Amino acid sequence: EVQLVESGGGLVQPGRSLRLSCAASGFIFDDYAMHWVRQAPGKGLEWVSGISWNSGRIGYADSVKGRFTISRDNGKNSLYLQMNSLRGEDMALYYCAKGSGSYFSYYYMDVWGKGTTVTVSS
Amino acid sequence: QSVLTQPPSVSGAPGQRVTISCTGSSSNIGAGYDVHWYQQLPGTAPKLLIYANSDRPSGVPDRFSGSKSGTSASLAITGLQAEDEADYYCQSYDSSLSGWVFGGGTKLTAL
Repeated sequence: EVQLVESGGGLVQPGRSLRLSCAASGFIFDDYAMHWVRQAPGKGLEWVSGISWNSGRIGYADSVKGRFTISRDNGKNSLYLQMNSLRGEDMALYYCAKGSGSYFSYYYMDVWGKGTTVTVSS
Repeated sequence: QSVLTQPPSVSGAPGQRVTISCTGSSSNIGAGYDVHWYQQLPGTAPKLLIYANSDRPSGVPDRFSGSKSGTSASLAITGLQAEDEADYYCQSYDSSLSGWVFGGGTKLTAL
């Protein structure tokens, strides 16, 4: 069974950092692109970042560019999101999602995790 | 303001047909990028409902169908059931933003 389990969320003060992780299982991790998508309380979905199978191509939403860094460790079947200079508007449920192919810019998201919550507050 | 525009809400009686529109622009849907649809039941993660404009993943009932034309796409649900009450999101790739974009979401209510 394909499974994605996010972790690392929590309460953080504005301006601080947090690192999210996503543990993948049930599929050949290094064959697929991966994404982070977030959902603020009561709001819609927002794509945050995507990474191709070999980390060769990476993309970010304008709202997080320069502050967030996506990475993956294919040896550990894991995806990460390093979030720096956090703001109130970054507060959301962060989902890890599997791409349906190798490159993040073309293939849709076919499997989603349950998400991890990030709360930004002083 | 989302790059893809969806109606905030739609409703229908059980058994009826409802449609949800998704309007984009020349840098996303109009540029030829596929449209995908996700269903988010209350309190759960999104689930892929329609991919590549009109294809259904295995397990998705054929009551759900998708189409695309020009800079717009639509999701149709026939034989509406109470269990279809959820938020529905369209998605496409945007070449100007070099990233994925979602519609603002449509809340479907079965009356």
